Amino acid sequence: DAKTTQPNSMESNEEEPVHLPCNHSTISGTDYIHWYRQLPSQGPEYVIHGLTSNVNNRMASLAIAEDRKSSTLILHRATLRDAAVYYCILRGVTKTGANNLFFGTGTRLTVIP
Amino acid sequence: GAGVSQSPRYKVAKRGQDVALRCDPISGHVSLFWYQQALGQGPEFLTYFQNEAQLDKSGLPSDRFFAERPEGSVSTLKIQRTQQEDSAVYLCASSLVTGLNTEAFFGQGTRLTVV
Repeated sequence: DAKTTQPNSMESNEEEPVHLPCNHSTISGTDYIHWYRQLPSQGPEYVIHGLTSNVNNRMASLAIAEDRKSSTLILHRATLRDAAVYYCILRGVTKTGANNLFFGTGTRLTVIP
Repeated sequence: GAGVSQSPRYKVAKRGQDVALRCDPISGHVSLFWYQQALGQGPEFLTYFQNEAQLDKSGLPSDRFFAERPEGSVSTLKIQRTQQEDSAVYLCASSLVTGLNTEAFFGQGTRLTVV
């Protein structure tokens, strides 16, 4: 299963944009890039996903490098409620035909008031 | 409708005891996943169901762990003869359809403490 590399932690000031990087140099052509976040004492929550093109939704934007070996999750205006662990995940078909989400250790985002 | 529901939210078990953890996925969801999350770590994949079929159980750490989804809806994760290293949060997730570009919905998890 292809792996991702993220910084362990990042800080941001409230109401400023946040760029969370992710490297995935071994990505295969059919892997989707997914981002989930986990607030304290909660289960992970879907944020966004993409394949090749940049994506926007109400929560965030996803910028995918042209070679797909890296991506960046962009929170346009960080709020205190965005403080969480953010996971960058490559979702591909496993040998068994499943399409699991394999989590890494993620980036812990701290938002400073 | 309701999201993914897990019960109990908290479970304390004595070492050697058997436990059963329940997951009620979102109605109609085909895919169901179980994960184990140790303190300070990311969730680790345990097993995957597509309807009632267990397609992948490669993440189950030992033969003490068993999961079932007999009617393709509710799932139960059973741990026999619990050990202290089984202490973790067990997360269940479901997806409406199979596919790499689908969203998974997670429950709040069951925190298991083995004493």
